[in-house]
Amino acid sequence: DVKVTQSSRYLVKRTGEKVFLECVQDMDHENMFWYRQDPGLGLRLIYFSYDVKMKEKGDIPEGYSVSREKKERFSLILESASTNQTSMYLCASSITGFEQYFGPGTRLTVT
Amino acid sequence: QKEVEQDPGPLSVPEGAIVSLNCTYSNSAFQYFMWYRQYSRKGPELLMYTYSSGNKEDGRFTAQVDKSSKYISLFIRDSQPSDSATYLCAMRRGDYKLSFGAGTTVTVRA
Repeated sequence: DVKVTQSSRYLVKRTGEKVFLECVQDMDHENMFWYRQDPGLGLRLIYFSYDVKMKEKGDIPEGYSVSREKKERFSLILESASTNQTSMYLCASSITGFEQYFGPGTRLTVT
Repeated sequence: QKEVEQDPGPLSVPEGAIVSLNCTYSNSAFQYFMWYRQYSRKGPELLMYTYSSGNKEDGRFTAQVDKSSKYISLFIRDSQPSDSATYLCAMRRGDYKLSFGAGTTVTVRA
């Protein structure tokens, strides 16, 4: 079974803090994704990576950056957290692109 | 206008009923159509996918795609309390990206 793990289930940070969200997958997948999930808006793609050190902006990249130094690990960075970044963050990995395997999510609250 | 529209519900049905979920979309370039299921406090998991138009059946689940109307559906027959979840439609755009609907929350009452 594919396993995608995320470093924290719940996180509370203050406005202006730098926040790191970590994601690790164990199936040697090339593609990894970061989404945020908000009520009524569904999943929105923040960034994705199709290979080590390769990344591409998704639909809502503003205020975020990513890092992929190793194939199994994809990090999402909030450079200066703001209250409108309070959300559920989901990481996914994939071979095909359409069958994506998701982690359990990190619920981030920025106060 | 959103690229993928999905009624968020919520939908509450008695056990054994047929659950009908649907999405509409605007991008005629979509070729792969998926349904993901998300249980509370979990990440989404792929339930079914369909390529282009037509029907696909998997046990109690049937997915339908009508590309001429830009409309997709998911039917759950003989629904069970264990089917209570949020169902998200998704469509593949480009090589890797998916566009998701907002999700419909379904509760099956025992």
